[in-house]
Amino acid sequence: DAGVTQSPTHLIKTRGQQVTLRCSPKSGHDTVSWYQQALGQGPQFIFQYYEEEERQRGNFPDRFSGHQFPNYSSELNVNALLLGDSALYLCASSLRTSGGTDTQYFGPGTRLTVL
Amino acid sequence: AQKITQTQPGMFVQEKEAVTLDCTYDTSDQSYGLFWYKQPSSGEMIFLIYQGSYDEQNATEGRYSLNFQKARKSANLVISASQLGDSAMYFCAMTPDRGSTLGRLYFGRGTQLTVWP
Repeated sequence: DAGVTQSPTHLIKTRGQQVTLRCSPKSGHDTVSWYQQALGQGPQFIFQYYEEEERQRGNFPDRFSGHQFPNYSSELNVNALLLGDSALYLCASSLRTSGGTDTQYFGPGTRLTVL
Repeated sequence: AQKITQTQPGMFVQEKEAVTLDCTYDTSDQSYGLFWYKQPSSGEMIFLIYQGSYDEQNATEGRYSLNFQKARKSANLVISASQLGDSAMYFCAMTPDRGSTLGRLYFGRGTQLTVWP
């Protein structure tokens, strides 16, 4: 049973560039959430996708956008990269059940460095 | 607004001893979920334990237990019989959704636990 996978593992970009990060959820899960974790901080919620739509969004600018595909996998896109976007980007998947308490399972993350 | 506070930047414990990691939270919601995650140096967040706000019993998962004191808004993690492999960053997190893990998670800043032989 494959867990949450993310690609790439590491990425180096320069300011102003655009980046796409990818996430495949755990088998059987239909909901994907993205988090940004700056060095020495706890993860910050970016947004959540379910049924190919953005359902919740944290306090992140429109430069951050996403997509969910019919197979539940997801992409996170960041445009016009800033130095402050350097962070570990974590993807979490879960199963949307009514009143359920299914755990959010996290992937290994993508470490993005912006120079 | 939801807020998680972890006041211990670092904790040290000897192997086989028990250790308590502190977590307090602030929310105006009546229904919420509390979580602890472990993050080794590899970066992956590993789920440890969950406590629902309406659960009357403290949650336990193997060597992990959650000391839930609702009136004090605290949700401390207790690790019994520490092992060298427990050395990692530990995060307390909360979701305001009704007993569900589906909503956004609010994380604290974490506590770095070091287990020594």
